[in-house]
Amino acid sequence: DARVTQTPRDKVTEMGQEVTMRCQPILGHNTVFWYRQTMMQGLELLAYFRNRAPLDDSGMPKDRFSAEMPDATLATLKIQPSEPRDSAVYFCASGLAAASGLSYNEQFFGPGTRLTVL
Amino acid sequence: AQSVAQPEDQVNVAEGNPLTVKCTYSVSGNPYLFWYVQYPNRGLQFLLKYITGDNLVKGSYGFEAEFNKSQTSFHLKKPSALVSDSALYFCAVRDGGATNKLIFGTGTLLAVQP
Repeated sequence: DARVTQTPRDKVTEMGQEVTMRCQPILGHNTVFWYRQTMMQGLELLAYFRNRAPLDDSGMPKDRFSAEMPDATLATLKIQPSEPRDSAVYFCASGLAAASGLSYNEQFFGPGTRLTVL
Repeated sequence: AQSVAQPEDQVNVAEGNPLTVKCTYSVSGNPYLFWYVQYPNRGLQFLLKYITGDNLVKGSYGFEAEFNKSQTSFHLKKPSALVSDSALYFCAVRDGGATNKLIFGTGTLLAVQP
């Protein structure tokens, strides 16, 4: 049963510390998405990769957030330095897009990382 | 720009009764619509999608959705609700252009009472 995995599941840290969240997309998927979910803002898209290349990170605060895909099996989201307002659940999702980039396929979500910044 | 609206923050229904969770959309071009469900402390799970064809789409767990072009709606339905259906439901639309980004609604909390 192929699933998106995320680590850690829970993270509590202090303001100013670096946080790294990791995601393993489903094998064979070529698109990866990072979302942030909060009560106030709902579900926000932070970054989007296709074939490991970043296509859209317009939803991500550039000064402190960074997203990378070192290889096809790993996506990372880093926050440095972290702030209390970053407290949220961060989801990774993967999907399969055609070579043209168009896709009507669903995204598969991981279980999320619950981040608490004190 | 593509968008979806979920007008109800919460829907309450008694177990065994039919349920409807509403979604309306605004798109330029053809709409590609999705429903996801989120159980507590879990990620979103895909339920169903409309790409083209039959206006009534059947999905997982007995859910179905009706695409209505004239009303620009894509309401989620189930003939008989279960307590275990209680969860947060999201409608989404595929963003335009050469991308498979999804634009999500704000979510509707479904509460099914025994």
